[in-house]
Amino acid sequence: QKEVEQNSGPLSVPEGAIASLNCTYSDRGSQSFFWYRQYSGKSPELIMSIYSNGDKEDGRFTAQLNKASQYVSLLIRDSQPSDSATYLCAVILSGGSYIPTFGRGTSLIVHP
Amino acid sequence: GAGVSQSPSNKVTEKGKDVELRCDPISGHTALYWYRQSLGQGLEFLIYFQGNSAPDKSGLPSDRFSAERTGGSVSTLTIQRTQQEDSAVYLCASSDARTGSGETQYFGPGTRLLVL
Repeated sequence: QKEVEQNSGPLSVPEGAIASLNCTYSDRGSQSFFWYRQYSGKSPELIMSIYSNGDKEDGRFTAQLNKASQYVSLLIRDSQPSDSATYLCAVILSGGSYIPTFGRGTSLIVHP
Repeated sequence: GAGVSQSPSNKVTEKGKDVELRCDPISGHTALYWYRQSLGQGLEFLIYFQGNSAPDKSGLPSDRFSAERTGGSVSTLTIQRTQQEDSAVYLCASSDARTGSGETQYFGPGTRLLVL
């Protein structure tokens, strides 16, 4: 069983819509969660980190964490074509190491 | 430097040759990570350094792969007797484990390795 699961997509949304990206994880003791964006041919860059249950907002991005249900989501409001990329979910599993486990990523396409 | 740097940016080699990939982390970052990403795939963890020691080498795919880090800074990933399946982008990341957001990783631009 993969420890961090994401739907590979592609998820296609029209410009201006809300894009919702989901990630589930298997380790109930996980404490740290991250969303990275990776443009084609580029390296991942951090969008947001979240550590507590609930919502965390940063501009057009909102991360949502529900530890009881073991999922973390990323919402992108007013999606733009420049948001088209692969979004990687990463989770620091319990056990004391700083090594995040990455999901395979969800490809997002925002069409004009 | 302002960010993580890696060299070379691209490397083409012949099957059976050895290659060395270099990573220069953000100054002061104590943790350094190597990942591999094949075309269209997710990130595959290879090895993690805390300072100069490697507490977790579990991701190295075979004994042809080795890595070292000296002076708590620069790291070198060596692949001996390269095979075609080693072709991938090799990504390095660093983080500052001393801060509250110490798990946040900052990635370098990667080295694109092609084994012919």
